[in-house]
Amino acid sequence: DQQVKQNSPSLSVQEGRISILNCDYTNSMFDYFLWYKKYPAEGPTFLISISSIKDKNEDGRFTVFLNKSAKHLSLHIVPSQPGDSAVYFCAAHSGTYKYIFGTGTRLKVLA
Amino acid sequence: EPEVTQTPSHQVTQMGQEVILRCVPISNHLYFYWYRQILGQKVEFLVSFYNNEISEKSEIFDDQFSVERPDGSNFTLKIRSTKLEDSAMYFCASSVAGQNSPLHFGNGTRLTVT
Repeated sequence: DQQVKQNSPSLSVQEGRISILNCDYTNSMFDYFLWYKKYPAEGPTFLISISSIKDKNEDGRFTVFLNKSAKHLSLHIVPSQPGDSAVYFCAAHSGTYKYIFGTGTRLKVLA
Repeated sequence: EPEVTQTPSHQVTQMGQEVILRCVPISNHLYFYWYRQILGQKVEFLVSFYNNEISEKSEIFDDQFSVERPDGSNFTLKIRSTKLEDSAMYFCASSVAGQNSPLHFGNGTRLTVT
């Protein structure tokens, strides 16, 4: 039961351009969403989060957009840098203790 | 910046053996979690722990699994009789609060069951 889906397994973007990573969810009870970045041989690193009462949250180069009616969130990275190359996971939370993760999107930023 | 630490980084064990994976969460965090990632697959929730008891567990977390906070700093995951399919990266995480609070992950223990 895939409640959180990342339909693009990979994405390549030129350095300096915008990276847009997408995530869809099915459970309308989710009220808190997060994005994580993961390098090989490391644990996921928290990037940015958004509560369901907002539709946008920004932190430096990272912006998360939430469209509740479409059950869709996206992460924008601008400008993209080679160091951003990693696997990005979205995660969602519904008031229980469990955070549910998507399958990840591998971002490659080309120099 | 405080971090979650996990030991060992890699554990190899034979099928049927018991393993204990260790974690030291961030010191002022109150909620603790174990997740796992089978190679190439998604990060899966195993269990959450608060106030010295399990607050939630997944269907993966069967009777072969247990967690413990034996002292004020360590948080352990025990697998009593390992199976081949337990081979995965196991990540410990902690958070300040149980809701609307990001999880902070360790770098994981790679468990290989032969």
